[in-house]
Amino acid sequence: DSGVTQTPKHLITATGQRVTLRCSPRSGDLSVYWYQQSLDQGLQFLIQYYNGEERAKGNILERFSAQQFPDLHSELNLSSLELGDSALYFCASSSPGEKLFFGSGTQLSVL
Amino acid sequence: DQQVKQNSPSLSVQEGRISILNCDYTNSMFDYFLWYKKYPAEGPTFLISISSIKDKNEDGRFTVFLNKSAKHLSLHIVPSQPGDSAVYFCAASYDVGAGGTSYGKLTFGQGTILTVHP
Repeated sequence: DSGVTQTPKHLITATGQRVTLRCSPRSGDLSVYWYQQSLDQGLQFLIQYYNGEERAKGNILERFSAQQFPDLHSELNLSSLELGDSALYFCASSSPGEKLFFGSGTQLSVL
Repeated sequence: DQQVKQNSPSLSVQEGRISILNCDYTNSMFDYFLWYKKYPAEGPTFLISISSIKDKNEDGRFTVFLNKSAKHLSLHIVPSQPGDSAVYFCAASYDVGAGGTSYGKLTFGQGTILTVHP
C-alpha cells in the first residue's frame, strides 16, 4: 500500500460528459502529480501541484483541469470527454527530493 | 518525441538467471533516473534510482547501470524470481528548479513486460 488513495477505481461514461477523479496523497506529502497511461502513449505526466499551487504542467489538454485543496487532496476534472480519453489515470505524491508514490489508478472508459 | 525509450516490449527469463532490461534516453538535461515496477491493477512502485554523478547503484538483487555517453541505462536483476514478473518502467527527470529539487515530473519509457518462468 503506497498510502496514496484514488477514487473511483473504475469509471464508465459517455462522450461529451464530464468526470472528476479524486486523489488523497500520502500523509505529509505536499506535492501531487497526475499521470495518464494510455495504450499507445505509455505513462504521461499531466500536471503537478505543490501545497495548493500549480507547479508544473505537462501534456494536459485544455479540456482537463486540476486543483489541490487546503487539505491537500486533489481532483482532476475531465470535460467534453472523447473516446481517446479512455485511459488509466494515476495520482502520485511525494515530499521534496523524494521519489513518487503512486496510487492504484482510476480506469476511465469513455463509450 | 519519445525522450525515454524501452525498445524491448517483453523479456522472458528462466528463474535463477539474470534479467537485463534496457532503456535509452535522448534529453541531455536528464540527471536522475529511476526504475518502477508495476503489477496488474496496481500503481507503479519505485524500485531503484541512480543519479547522473554515478554509473552504478545496487540494492540487493537489483543493480542499475548508467552510461551517460551512450545515454543508456540498464536494470539487472540477479537472480530472477517468478515474483519479479511485472511491467518495468524506466523513467528520467531533472531538477526543474522552482526553489528546490523537484524530481516529480518524470518522463517514462513504454515499459517492458518481464516474465520469469519457474
